[in-house]
Amino acid sequence: KAGVTQTPRYLIKTRGQQVTLSCSPISGHRSVSWYQQTPGQGLQFLFEYFSETQRNKGNFPGRFSGRQFSNSRSEMNVSTLELGDSALYLCASRPGTGVYEQYFGPGTRLTVT
Amino acid sequence: EDQVTQSPEALRLQEGESSSLNCSYTVSGLRGLFWYRQDPGKGPEFLFTLYSAGEEKEKERLKATLTKKESFLHITAPKPEDSATYLCAVQAGSNYQLIWGAGTKLIIKP
Repeated sequence: KAGVTQTPRYLIKTRGQQVTLSCSPISGHRSVSWYQQTPGQGLQFLFEYFSETQRNKGNFPGRFSGRQFSNSRSEMNVSTLELGDSALYLCASRPGTGVYEQYFGPGTRLTVT
Repeated sequence: EDQVTQSPEALRLQEGESSSLNCSYTVSGLRGLFWYRQDPGKGPEFLFTLYSAGEEKEKERLKATLTKKESFLHITAPKPEDSATYLCAVQAGSNYQLIWGAGTKLIIKP
């Protein structure tokens, strides 16, 4: 089975711009979660989508949003980028219900200048 | 409030020197505890899932154990390639969201 894929892998944006990141989960997985990771910080949970519905949301400002499509692929959007948004953005998928481990993609490295 | 704490923050060992990493949790109704390994700049790699106290799982030089309050990741005779940050997370109650620890950075010196 193919793993979780994320595009793009690297991105450089200017403060004030917006960005869209994409995640394709493992085939058959219906849950997709997004995390932000900055140097020295642990994983900060952004949100989780299951069957096109946001199931959980972390403590991030409204500039961070996401969606999930009927094929379980997900996108996250950050509007009005700030320097502090520079981070590794990770996507993870799992089957959906029950107690299952998450499988992570390689991440998108976002740099805001 | 549900919480996961990992210790130590960093651990330096000589190659072959066995040790343990700790993940303590205070949650209501543990349903699963997960261990991951993360290399710099990469996504975390899944290692183990533990579901109930007393459960143990092994993979190569790693062994994970679970009690009602904490989990240990034992590393036996580690090699330099075991150097990474090890993360643990728990799923509790009816919430599907995972609660993550801050990780332990493990450095194995040859």
